Amino acid sequence: QKEVEQNSGPLSVPEGAIASLNCTYSDRGSQSFFWYRQYSGKSPELIMFIYSNGDKEDGRFTAQLNKASQYVSLLIRDSQPSDSATYLCAVNPSRDDKIIFGKGTRLHILP
Amino acid sequence: EAGVAQSPRYKIIEKRQSVAFWCNPISGHATLYWYQQILGQGPKLLIQFQNNGVVDDSQLPKDRFSAERLKGVDSTLKIQPAKLEDSAVYLCASSLDRVQPQHFGDGTRLSIL
Repeated sequence: QKEVEQNSGPLSVPEGAIASLNCTYSDRGSQSFFWYRQYSGKSPELIMFIYSNGDKEDGRFTAQLNKASQYVSLLIRDSQPSDSATYLCAVNPSRDDKIIFGKGTRLHILP
Repeated sequence: EAGVAQSPRYKIIEKRQSVAFWCNPISGHATLYWYQQILGQGPKLLIQFQNNGVVDDSQLPKDRFSAERLKGVDSTLKIQPAKLEDSAVYLCASSLDRVQPQHFGDGTRLSIL
């Protein structure tokens, strides 16, 4: 069974520091990788997506993909209290397969 | 660009009653998804449509859940009869195609008494 694993947390990070969130996946042939942020009581909001090995940067966010090791990471630089949320990793194994969400990592930025 | 619209936002019913949710995806998005999210867990895909055809409904409890997407635009998800374990948030999402990022609606919070 194809799986996406995330540490449930909570991960506590001081304000201004770098928050590092990790996600591992079981299907080596996976094609697309997504990070969503979900505030309590709200729906998931797309932050980043990445298809190729390496890094992708967007503002304070960087997604890192390592297909050989089957993990994808999200780095948040200069963490702000407003970054406190649950971060969901989602993996699309292939065009013909359904997307799989991890259970999410709760991030808490300490003021 | 208007986002994914869902209604109602909240619904409270008693077990064994029926309930229906409605979703209008982003204009031009061919793929539509219904998810169930239980508190503390990630979204679980119930059904995925490509235009008006079903792509995946392997996790849909078909004895009580049904969904349709007539004309390939709006979609409805129905539960009949509801069980206590159906208490969850029901999320609708859409994407341009099956590998593009999904965009979520605000969800419907369902409580079963």
